Amino acid sequence: DAKTTQPPSMDCAEGRAANLPCNHSTISGNEYVYWYRQIHSQGPQYIIHGLKNNETNEMASLIITEDRKSSTLILPHATLRDTAVYYCIVRGNFGNEKLTFGTGTRL
Amino acid sequence: GAVVSQHPSWVICKSGTSVKIECRSLDFQATTMFWYRQFPKQSLMLMATSNEGSKATYEQGVEKDKFLINHASLTLSTLTVTSAHPEDSSFYICSANGQGAIGTEAFFGQGTRLTVV
Repeated sequence: DAKTTQPPSMDCAEGRAANLPCNHSTISGNEYVYWYRQIHSQGPQYIIHGLKNNETNEMASLIITEDRKSSTLILPHATLRDTAVYYCIVRGNFGNEKLTFGTGTRL
Repeated sequence: GAVVSQHPSWVICKSGTSVKIECRSLDFQATTMFWYRQFPKQSLMLMATSNEGSKATYEQGVEKDKFLINHASLTLSTLTVTSAHPEDSSFYICSANGQGAIGTEAFFGQGTRLTVV
């Protein structure tokens, strides 16, 4: 079973920041938070991941709460090309661990 | 970044025939690959974990004799849907985890849409 809960859908105005929340209250100490997105009829695309510190890359920012029970993915300037289903996944980081997908958020 | 390639992108086959789907890691070696299935408007469901040089590990409810997985090299895993039926029509996706310098995130293929008629 997925260890995360996300709202089923969200809307965002083009050019504005999109903030996608995720709850992972049962996350273990050695588990990372990963975000992927899936554009229609394509394979999922990696966005970002983090353990406990906030992370930023060219695609997005990841804000993880201090207790690590929730996180927010921020797309700073959303465009139509960001329309996708966004998946928040918790996973260990030992190389061969599988990803268990929840239902995701349709943005 | 690392690339995982799936082939074919789509396939139509007749009921009762078998279909093979290939998953290749193009610029890195993958000792473990994963196969997912996705029905319309649903999330990805893990079918099996493919291990190079050994037997695949199947998730509960997935028939190993129907979905044959072979991982003969560090860059290729294949999924064969045997005696396909219309209910096997789905979007099949593979992934491989990176190692070392390329990072440990999962890299996904573009998916294969199987239609059984």
